[in-house]
Amino acid sequence: KQEVTQIPAALSVPEGENLVLNCSFTDSAIYNLQWFRQDPGKGLTSLLLIQSSQREQTSGRLNASLDKSSGRSTLYIAASQPGDSATYLCAVGNNAGNMLTFGGGTRLMVKP
Amino acid sequence: EAQVTQNPRYLITVTGKKLTVTCSQNMNHEYMSWYRQDPGLGLRQIYYSMNVEVTDKGDVPEGYKVSRKEKRNFPLILESPSPNQTSLYFCASSLSVRSEKLFFGSGTQLSVL
Repeated sequence: KQEVTQIPAALSVPEGENLVLNCSFTDSAIYNLQWFRQDPGKGLTSLLLIQSSQREQTSGRLNASLDKSSGRSTLYIAASQPGDSATYLCAVGNNAGNMLTFGGGTRLMVKP
Repeated sequence: EAQVTQNPRYLITVTGKKLTVTCSQNMNHEYMSWYRQDPGLGLRQIYYSMNVEVTDKGDVPEGYKVSRKEKRNFPLILESPSPNQTSLYFCASSLSVRSEKLFFGSGTQLSVL
C-alpha cells in the first residue's frame, strides 16, 4: 500500500527566505504527483501537477521536482512571503488513474 | 465561475440519523471523489467515481454510500452515522485524474454526537 510522508510537519521562516518542502512515497509505480495548498477552514488548491514522465514543473515562485525512482518530490518556494503561510500537501496518483494518496502535510508560517 | 460546491458547510447530528452531504461541480468533470480529513491521519479517500453510474471504494468506505446518477452531482450518504465519522469532509473533481488537476470543494465539518 502506498504511503506518503512529508517532512517537516511544520516550518517557520522569515519573509524572503527560499525554502524546500519534502515529500516521499514508498511505491514508485505512480502516474503523477500533485502539490496542494490548504488554508485554514478552506479546501485544497492544486498548485502543481507533475506527470511521472516529467522531472519538474514551475509556476511563478514555485518549482516542484520529481524523482520517481527514489520516491521523492520537493516543492521549492522562492522569496517566501507572509501570504505563503498555509499547509502544503503532496499527493501521488496511482497507475490505475483512480486514486490519490495524500501526505500529512507541512504547515508553513512565513513571518514578516 | 468553475467550482465544486458542497453543502452544508457545517452539520451537527446525532448517532443513527441518516444524512446526505451534497456535492456538485459545474466543470463537466468525469472524475469525482470524497475524502475525509482527520488530525494525525491526513486526507483519506472514501469513494470515487470515474463517470456516471461508475463508483468504487477508496481506502475508508465503511459506513458510507455514494451515487452518481448524473455527471455534476456526487452525494455522500451516511445511513447511520456514528461518532467516529465526525470529521472534515471534502468533495473533489477532475476532468481526468490522470492528467488534470484536482479541484476541491470548501469542505463540510460534520459532528456526530
